Amino acid sequence: EIQLVESGGGLVQLGGSLRLSCAASGFNFSASDIHWVRQASGEGLEWVGRIRPKTDNYATSYAASMKDRFIVSRDDSHNAAFLQIKSLRAEDTAIYYCTRHLAQWGQGTLVTVSS
Amino acid sequence: SYKLTQPPSVSVSPGQTARITCSGDALPDQYAYWYQQRPGQAPVLIIYKDTERPPGIPARFSGSSSGTTVTLTISGVQAEDEADYYCQSADTTKVVYVFGPGTKVTVL
Repeated sequence: EIQLVESGGGLVQLGGSLRLSCAASGFNFSASDIHWVRQASGEGLEWVGRIRPKTDNYATSYAASMKDRFIVSRDDSHNAAFLQIKSLRAEDTAIYYCTRHLAQWGQGTLVTVSS
Repeated sequence: SYKLTQPPSVSVSPGQTARITCSGDALPDQYAYWYQQRPGQAPVLIIYKDTERPPGIPARFSGSSSGTTVTLTISGVQAEDEADYYCQSADTTKVVYVFGPGTKVTVL
């Protein structure tokens, strides 16, 4: 069974940093694209970024509005992916999902940015 | 930046057919995907590559494509189909992905 479990969310200070984790199991993680998607309360889905497998040189891409403060990475030896967010803003408050190929999704982790 | 357009809401009676459109300039060249999201749950992929249905997705869900518009059709709508539906695709560079704003389907 394919599983993706996000962690690392919580209440964080405005201007701070955060690293979210995604623990994967049940599939060939090292061969998979991993995407991060976020959703603010009552709002739609917003694509954040993607990291490709080693065979594609771990290439990353981001939504235009996310390029400067968001970093996607992975650790294939531990079947894990990460999303680092810097200089947190109130508008970063959202549920953050990791997904395999945008096909299988975790349940998400909630990030709340507070002043 | 590239955008997809969806109607904000669609209302349909049980047993009838719901159609949700999604428009975008790159859709003739990029596949579209559709997701169902029920309240409090993660999205679920229900259509991929414009018309394909993943295992376990009921046959009443179907997708079609014509030019810059793709359509999700729900035939014989059931009460459990009440949810938000999102289309998703990529821009012409194929490295930036985008979701439509979502369509809320209400079963009357």
